[in-house]
Amino acid sequence: QKEVEQDPGPLSVPEGAIVSLNCTYSNSAFQYFMWYRQYSRKGPELLMYTYSSGNKEDGRFTAQVDKSSKYISLFIRDSQPSDSATYLCAMSHNAGGTSYGKLTFGQGTILTVHP
Amino acid sequence: DGGITQSPKYLFRKEGQNVTLSCEQNLNHDAMYWYRQDPGQGLRLIYYSQIVNDFQKGDIAEGYSVSREKKESFPLTVTSAQKNPTAFYLCASTKGAYGYTFGSGTRLTVV
Repeated sequence: QKEVEQDPGPLSVPEGAIVSLNCTYSNSAFQYFMWYRQYSRKGPELLMYTYSSGNKEDGRFTAQVDKSSKYISLFIRDSQPSDSATYLCAMSHNAGGTSYGKLTFGQGTILTVHP
Repeated sequence: DGGITQSPKYLFRKEGQNVTLSCEQNLNHDAMYWYRQDPGQGLRLIYYSQIVNDFQKGDIAEGYSVSREKKESFPLTVTSAQKNPTAFYLCASTKGAYGYTFGSGTRLTVV
């Protein structure tokens, strides 16, 4: 079983829809949770990050972390065609030493928002 | 502007050949990472380095080698021992526990 599971999709939605992307994980030591967006043939870019449980909002994007369920989500409101990309969840723990900063990624979800 | 530069963008390797992928950063980040990305598999960690002259194996280090002689540079060599090297390779750097900055990647193809 992978440490981080993410539904690869693909997910296709009409413009203006609310998109929900999710990841589950098995390692309870994870403390930092991130979402990256990756356009085709480009490197991923950091979209959102949260520490421990809770919600974080940034414009049309909301990240949620539920550590009790080992479940994180990214919501995109009023989705736009420019949101079409692969979305990767990523996590790390604060163990220090050689593990510090090491991220574990989900498989990525391919999202297409059509006009 | 600060960032990570990966070169070349596209690389073709013949059977039995070693090739080296370049990664340079001017962000003054201590830690650098190499990931491999295959369709439907997300990013898998090859090697990482937290300080100069020190590096650690990741989850799929076999067939790869790295060096970290300067803080700014972390080149990756794909050796002939790597039997399935065709993939998209990403270099990243970070100062802390999150917030990687990624390069724009090198696409390696075996011909």
